[in-house]
Amino acid sequence: DAGVIQSPRHEVTEMGQEVTLRCKPISGHDYLFWYRQTMMRGLELLIYFNNNVPIDDSGMPEDRFSAKMPNASFSTLKIQPSEPRDSAVYFCASSPSLGRRAGELFFGEGSRLTVL
Amino acid sequence: ILNVEQSPQSLHVQEGDSTNFTCSFPSSNFYALHWYRWETAKSPEALFVMTLNGDEKKKGRISATLNTKEGYSYLYIKGSQPEDSATYLCAFGDSGYALNFGKGTSLLVTP
Repeated sequence: DAGVIQSPRHEVTEMGQEVTLRCKPISGHDYLFWYRQTMMRGLELLIYFNNNVPIDDSGMPEDRFSAKMPNASFSTLKIQPSEPRDSAVYFCASSPSLGRRAGELFFGEGSRLTVL
Repeated sequence: ILNVEQSPQSLHVQEGDSTNFTCSFPSSNFYALHWYRWETAKSPEALFVMTLNGDEKKKGRISATLNTKEGYSYLYIKGSQPEDSATYLCAFGDSGYALNFGKGTSLLVTP
């Protein structure tokens, strides 16, 4: 079975540019999470969705960040305009609400963003 | 933001040693406590999901305990092997599915 798929794996961009990160969750998982990993703060929850509906976006740093989940198999995290302090690894994770592994997070391989 | 503390920050042991790490979390509004293993160049993978006070879970040489009343969980590795080298993350949830992660304990096991 395919795991959580994220793209791009690496992105280098210049300050002020728009960045779009993409995620395909595991089929059948009804929760999707976006996390940001930095050395200083560790893994921070940015936003999560249940059945494509945003439930809690209180972790989104500021209005420059937005996330969408137009359908059960696709989500995007957009940063516009990007700033150097946005440089981090962004992880997408999905989770099933039912079954033996309910509640476990299944992580993608992450998107490493560098903003120059 | 819910404060999840892990200690030690890093640990270096010899092959065959047994070791343990601690995760502290708020003792009120407990919902779930997760442990994840994060190997270099990979993504975190779930080890345990614990929901009941007194829970003990085991997977091979790795086990975990949970005390929700005092707000801590221990992860034990018996007879550490080099392949156990990784960062071990704990994550606390006070409701639903949103988890707050600690910064992890980085374990290095040398032959």
